Amino acid sequence: AQKVTQAQTEISVVEKEDVTLDCVYETRDTTYYLFWYKQPPSGELVFLIRRNSFDEQNEISGRYSWNFQKSTSSFNFTITASQVVDSAVYFCALSEAQTTDSWGKLQFGAGTQVVVTP
Amino acid sequence: ETGVTQTPRHLVMGMTNKKSLKCEQHLGHNAMYWYKQSAKKPLELMFVYSLEERVENNSVPSRFSPECPNSSHLFLHLHTLQPEDSALYLCASSQDLLAGAYEQYFGPGTRLTVT
Repeated sequence: AQKVTQAQTEISVVEKEDVTLDCVYETRDTTYYLFWYKQPPSGELVFLIRRNSFDEQNEISGRYSWNFQKSTSSFNFTITASQVVDSAVYFCALSEAQTTDSWGKLQFGAGTQVVVTP
Repeated sequence: ETGVTQTPRHLVMGMTNKKSLKCEQHLGHNAMYWYKQSAKKPLELMFVYSLEERVENNSVPSRFSPECPNSSHLFLHLHTLQPEDSALYLCASSQDLLAGAYEQYFGPGTRLTVT
C-alpha cells in the first residue's frame, strides 16, 4: 500500500505566484520522519527538509515553508513567489522508526512536477 | 555540490554487455544506497550497505550485482540486462542507518538505456 500520497501530478504556475504541494502519509508508528526532496532536470535529488513526528512546528526557509499537521497526516510544502529555477519534481518521503527493517528506508511519494513559466 | 558523484552519467548498453556503475561519496558517511527511478514509477530502493555490509537486497534480479569495497565507494555491476531495466540509477549516502534520523544525499544519477 502506498504510504505517501502526492495527489498532484503536475502544477503549472506563472513566476511570482505561490504554489503549495500536498503530501499525505500513512503510518502506525508514533516515531517517524518526513522529508522533502527536489529533483531538477539534472536528475539529482536535493534534500530540502527533515521533520520528526514530535515536532509539529512549521518551518520557513527563505521562500520555502512547510506545514506539518499530524491531525490530518499531512506535510505540505509551499513555495512563495515562485521562480523559474523552482521548476522541478518534488518528492515527499516517509521513514518509519519502529517498523521492522525501517532502519532508514525512505518511502517516496510519486512526486509532483512543478512548472514555473516566466 | 552534494558530495556524491556517479559515473558514467549516461550509459547505453546491449542486452549481452557487462558494465558497471560507480558511486563515490565524499561526506564520510557509513551507509550507501542504490535506487532505480523509472518513468512514471516511484523511486525503488535496490540495495543498502552499512559499513560495507549489505543490509538490504530488495528482491532485485541477479543481473544486478552490487559491490561495496569500502564505505566511500559503491558499484553496481550489470550483465544481461533487459530493455525494462532502462532507467535512472541513483546512488545515495547517509551518515548512518538509524531510522530516519539521517537524511540521504543523492548523486546525479546514471541514465541507463538498454538496447
